[in-house]
Amino acid sequence: GAGVSQSPSNKVTEKGKDVELRCDPISGHTALYWYRQSLGQGLEFLIYFQGNSAPDKSGLPSDRFSAERTGGSVSTLTIQRTQQEDSAVYLCASSYPGGLYEQYFGPGTRLTVT
Amino acid sequence: AQSVTQLDSHVSVSEGTPVLLRCNYSSSYSPSLFWYVQHPNKGLQLLLKYTSAATLVKGINGFEAEFKKSETSFHLTKPSAHMSDAAEYFCVVSQTGANNLFFGTGTRLTVIP
Repeated sequence: GAGVSQSPSNKVTEKGKDVELRCDPISGHTALYWYRQSLGQGLEFLIYFQGNSAPDKSGLPSDRFSAERTGGSVSTLTIQRTQQEDSAVYLCASSYPGGLYEQYFGPGTRLTVT
Repeated sequence: AQSVTQLDSHVSVSEGTPVLLRCNYSSSYSPSLFWYVQHPNKGLQLLLKYTSAATLVKGINGFEAEFKKSETSFHLTKPSAHMSDAAEYFCVVSQTGANNLFFGTGTRLTVIP
């Protein structure tokens, strides 16, 4: 079946503009995660959705970052008033619920803020 | 609190020689441990995982890892490196009930022909 897809694959934006990144998880996976991978760094957890429960937003770095998940499927990560330090690869993953299950990662969106 | 430390940012081996990628973890409770691999311009892929069953875990492509609680280590090994093993490898920790994974900073494996 289809894997996790993300769009766009690349995004270049000017400082101060808003951007939206999209994630389509694997059908049937109720858990969805967003991570950020900066150059030379490991993955940084941003936010977690599980079914209809309130999301775990503990990893969001500032109030400029927000995410939603509509209908328990597609998710959108929004970054408002982008800054240069937001430049990174944003990765989405989906899985069955719980930390014991494998997370399936999308190819990522490379965001460059100029 | 949970964290992982990957002791080497870059490892270089000759094709056909053994691979050792080191990882130490810190976890308040019984952890779940994973190794993920990221090939250039490709998504992250699970190599293997430990979830409190056998301490020696076998994964894909001939890789294996041993969970050593006394040493808080989960090193990744392979007896004989192949050119296709060249990639970035991430050691990851989680725990039962946790919402997310904690990634190490990665080890870049170079395989010399």
